[in-house]
Amino acid sequence: GIQVEQSPPDLILQEGANSTLRCNFSDSVNNLQWFHQNPWGQLINLFYIPSGTKQNGRLSATTVATERYSLLYISSSQTTDSGVYFCAAKTGANNLFFGTGTRLTVIP
Amino acid sequence: KAGVTQTPRYLIKTRGQQVTLSCSPISGHRSVSWYQQTPGQGLQFLFEYFSETQRNKGNFPGRFSGRQFSNSRSEMNVSTLELGDSALYLCASRGTQTDRGQETQYFGPGTRLLVL
Repeated sequence: GIQVEQSPPDLILQEGANSTLRCNFSDSVNNLQWFHQNPWGQLINLFYIPSGTKQNGRLSATTVATERYSLLYISSSQTTDSGVYFCAAKTGANNLFFGTGTRLTVIP
Repeated sequence: KAGVTQTPRYLIKTRGQQVTLSCSPISGHRSVSWYQQTPGQGLQFLFEYFSETQRNKGNFPGRFSGRQFSNSRSEMNVSTLELGDSALYLCASRGTQTDRGQETQYFGPGTRLLVL
C-alpha cells in the first residue's frame, strides 16, 4: 500500500505561534484527509484535500498532488489545538493509509 | 445527522475470551471500515464492508472477523483474545456516491479494549 510519512513527529509551541505540519505520500492519491485526534481518541475531520488549498478558520491545508505532499498550517495556536494530527491517504478504492502522526503541544 | 456511533466505549476482557464490537454508520452511508490503533503499530486497517460484503481486508489474522447488516450497522469480532489485541478500535463510515474512494471518511469515538 501507499506509504505516508509525517513530520515533525513532535512539536511544542507557545500559544499564539504558527506551525506547519507536513505529510509526504509515496503514490498518486485520490483521497487525502487530515485529522485531529483528541485526548479521548476521537478522530476529528479537519480537511478532505486530495489537491489544492482549503481554509477553515485558523487552519488551512495545501496538497500538491504532483509532488506528493500536503501541508497543514495552524495559525495563532491555542492550547485546545494540542493533540495528535494525522494525515491519511488512499489510492483507488483501497483503504486509508495513515501516517504516524505529529504530536502537537501548545503551551500557555 | 447523527455521527458514527460505537458500542461499547470501554471493554475489559481476559486472554482467550472473545469480544464483539458494534458500529452504526452515519445515516445513508453504506461503507463501514474498521481500524486498530496501538502505540506501537499506529493506525492499521482491518476491513471494509459495503452492502453486507467485505470489500477489502488488512493484514490481520483470521481471529479478526466482521460482518455488516442490511441496515449498514457493522460488528467486528475478535476470538481467542491475546494481550496484543489491547487497542483502540475505530470504525469509520463514508458515503459512496462515486464508489471510487473519493469520499470523506468519518470516524466514531472508538472502543477501547483492554485484554488482561
